[in-house]
Amino acid sequence: EPEVTQTPSHQVTQMGQEVILRCVPISNHLYFYWYRQILGQKVEFLVSFYNNEISEKSEIFDDQFSVERPDGSNFTLKIRSTKLEDSAMYFCASSPAANYGYTFGSGTRLTVV
Amino acid sequence: EDQVTQSPEALRLQEGESSSLNCSYTVSGLRGLFWYRQDPGKGPEFLFTLYSAGEEKEKERLKATLTKKESFLHITAPKPEDSATYLCAVQAKGYNKLIFGAGTRLAVHP
Repeated sequence: EPEVTQTPSHQVTQMGQEVILRCVPISNHLYFYWYRQILGQKVEFLVSFYNNEISEKSEIFDDQFSVERPDGSNFTLKIRSTKLEDSAMYFCASSPAANYGYTFGSGTRLTVV
Repeated sequence: EDQVTQSPEALRLQEGESSSLNCSYTVSGLRGLFWYRQDPGKGPEFLFTLYSAGEEKEKERLKATLTKKESFLHITAPKPEDSATYLCAVQAKGYNKLIFGAGTRLAVHP
């Protein structure tokens, strides 16, 4: 069964450093998403991406965050200057259509120290 | 404000003891309601999408139903491998994002 692949599975970074989280969505999917889950809290929407541009973003997704689809397969989330409160599990997801069930990746656990 | 509330927060069942999980929602216009299963340290795994009141979907021991205000996930004769957190999410018309509830932690004991 097709999978969404995320790397790395765990990243530890110093506060103020830039991090890039990487995702390979399912190949024939058109919609791509990033969500995050702080330990013990709800899964929260960050951003959706369609047709090579951001289609929707949350209040969390401020100027410190950016997304890119640099080639036909990868989808990345960059956090420019990490803060302690950015520590969370970050999930990438993709779907073939906007109101279709997403397929989520296994996540990247980001720890900011 | 669009909102999803799940109950109970946690549920402990004996193997074979059927039960239901509740998802109450308020949304400006429902585009879809989604059920996911999440195992510890993993990403949510898609189970069902429901689009309109009265719709029902089934998969193995799970059955999801939808009304205009809530959805139920019925678990029939659960097994220990059904232990997980079950997440409900709604998508409002005109939006792509999913709004998740806090989940129900299900533990099924032999």
